[in-house]
Amino acid sequence: GAGVSQTPSNKVTEKGKYVELRCDPISGHTALYWYRQSLGQGPEFLIYFQGTGAADDSGLPNDRFFAVRPEGSVSTLKIQRTERGDSAVYLCASSPTRGDTQYFGPGTRLTVL
Amino acid sequence: QKEVEQNSGPLSVPEGAIASLNCTYSDRGSQSFFWYRQYSGKSPELIMFIYSNGDKEDGRFTAQLNKASQYVSLLIRDSQPSDSATYLCAVNGGVHTDKLIFGTGTRLQVFP
Repeated sequence: GAGVSQTPSNKVTEKGKYVELRCDPISGHTALYWYRQSLGQGPEFLIYFQGTGAADDSGLPNDRFFAVRPEGSVSTLKIQRTERGDSAVYLCASSPTRGDTQYFGPGTRLTVL
Repeated sequence: QKEVEQNSGPLSVPEGAIASLNCTYSDRGSQSFFWYRQYSGKSPELIMFIYSNGDKEDGRFTAQLNKASQYVSLLIRDSQPSDSATYLCAVNGGVHTDKLIFGTGTRLQVFP
């Protein structure tokens, strides 16, 4: 079956702009996770959803970051007033239910100029 | 601060040898442990998971967990050049969350 998909694969934006990153999880997976990965580092947790609700948003670095999953499937990560330090690969993962193995999508490479 | 520690490498082994990758973690409440492989420019791919103390084998891969020592390892037998990648150790963030905490990864190089 299809894996986790993320769009766009690459996003270049200017400092101060708003961006949206989309994640489409594996069909039937109820848990969805966002991470970001900087060069030479492991993925860093941002937020995860169980169904439509954010079960843990403790990794969001500040209030410029927000994520939604209104229908319990597709999720959008929203970043306002982007900064150069936001440049990273944003990874989405899904799992059949909470606590199960997480399967990663290909990521979105965000570059803030 | 909950941490997962890995040696960044590179770990260089000859083809056919055993590669041993190690990871320590700080949170005694962690229940689940994962090894992901990440090729350059690609996303992490699950290799193995382990929940109980002891060894778990899957083909050429063996995961080992020692909760008392807060130590998890991955052995790769008969290493192949295609195993050359970064190996990420991940630990669940405790009993009240399902987030994963990753180490920085160990880069493995298998030379012919």
